[in-house]
Amino acid sequence: AQSVTQPDARVTVSEGASLQLRCKYSYSATPYLFWYVQYPRQGLQLLLKYYSGDPVVQGVNSFEAEFSKSNSSFHLQKASVHWSDSAVYFCALSMPTSSGQKLVFGQGTILKVYL
Amino acid sequence: DAGVTQTPRHEVAEKGQTIILKCEPVSGHNDLFWYRQTKIQGLELLSYFRSKSLMEDGGAFKDRFKAEMLNSSFSTLKIQPTEPKDSAVYLCASSIGLGANTGQLYFGEGSKLTVL
Repeated sequence: AQSVTQPDARVTVSEGASLQLRCKYSYSATPYLFWYVQYPRQGLQLLLKYYSGDPVVQGVNSFEAEFSKSNSSFHLQKASVHWSDSAVYFCALSMPTSSGQKLVFGQGTILKVYL
Repeated sequence: DAGVTQTPRHEVAEKGQTIILKCEPVSGHNDLFWYRQTKIQGLELLSYFRSKSLMEDGGAFKDRFKAEMLNSSFSTLKIQPTEPKDSAVYLCASSIGLGANTGQLYFGEGSKLTVL
């Protein structure tokens, strides 16, 4: 069965530090992979997506993610975090189906950036 | 372009009441999703429509939850009767759903339901 695992429920870092949020997936074919962010009292917003090609994809606000087929991973990274990056981050996998599309979300990682 | 609009933003209901949540998707999008979000369960799919046809109806939610898409620009989620365990944020999302846009969802800000 398809699944997405975010092993870290909560990550705390100081402003200016580098960041990596981990995501592992389980899917037999090459997946479409996404990172979404949810700020307080808002819906989810797309940060970046991977469909094929270059395994390193760039997103908004200087986020990037690296796809690894051998490790079944799609980790999110940022070189220097800002306090405004505090939010919940969701990794997701999308699969086309005969009836449309199916998305599987991870449980989310709460990121707290302190000054 | 207007994003996904959800109303009401907040709803307080007594146990046993009927509540209706509303969603207007992004114009031109083919797919519409309803999710329930809680801290414990995370995001749970309630319903999925493609071109107004119901494609997936979350099995665990069938008995008291009913989503409808009356036209391509409006959807409702009815919960009847409500129970305290239904307290959650209900998110609506829409997507073009084709080709390179597969998986790219646009979410509303959510409707927070509290059932007393």
